[in-house]
Amino acid sequence: GQQVMQIPQYQHVQEGEDFTTYCNSSTTLSNIQWYKQRPGGHPVFLIQLVKSGEVKKQKRLTFQFGEAKKNSSLHITATQTTDVGTYFCAGPRRGGATNKLIFGTGTLLAVQP
Amino acid sequence: EAQVTQNPRYLITVTGKKLTVTCSQNMNHEYMSWYRQDPGLGLRQIYYSMNVEVTDKGDVPEGYKVSRKEKRNFPLILESPSPNQTSLYFCASSQRTSADEQFFGPGTRLTVL
Repeated sequence: GQQVMQIPQYQHVQEGEDFTTYCNSSTTLSNIQWYKQRPGGHPVFLIQLVKSGEVKKQKRLTFQFGEAKKNSSLHITATQTTDVGTYFCAGPRRGGATNKLIFGTGTLLAVQP
Repeated sequence: EAQVTQNPRYLITVTGKKLTVTCSQNMNHEYMSWYRQDPGLGLRQIYYSMNVEVTDKGDVPEGYKVSRKEKRNFPLILESPSPNQTSLYFCASSQRTSADEQFFGPGTRLTVL
């Protein structure tokens, strides 16, 4: 079945360093969604990418959707302690009567002040 | 305030004792789903519902039941809980499908002894 993998599983950075997490799907995605989960919290939607090769920015966060629509990345410039949490990508699996949402395994980001 | 609520937030129970976790949303969303979150495995979809009386299995449905008798409510039922169902559970809703932004509830921490 469709799988969505993320690397790395965990990253520890010093405040001010950059951070990137990568998301890879075994099948083509109609879109990719990114979520952030703070420690002890619930996932919160960050952004959705739809077009092949799309790049979107939110302040220090840059999101990319691959040309083949099978991979995506989230890059954070100059991390801050408020960036701490787990970042998930998610892709819908739709077809016929199916309407599932498959989440990646997540990347836990730790930021040392 | 637009939100997804879950109850209870924490539950400790014993093997075989039937339990229900409630989920309610006030956004008139059509799509609702349940996920379990386990370390290293990310979020895995248990069941989802496209609308009232329309439910379907996610990737890990064994041992769970759901119902969607009203648009706003989507309870998760564990008829005979087992220790391997100890997990953090999230309910989520979106406007129409899995391709839309998902709004998550606060989570339910379940321990089955």
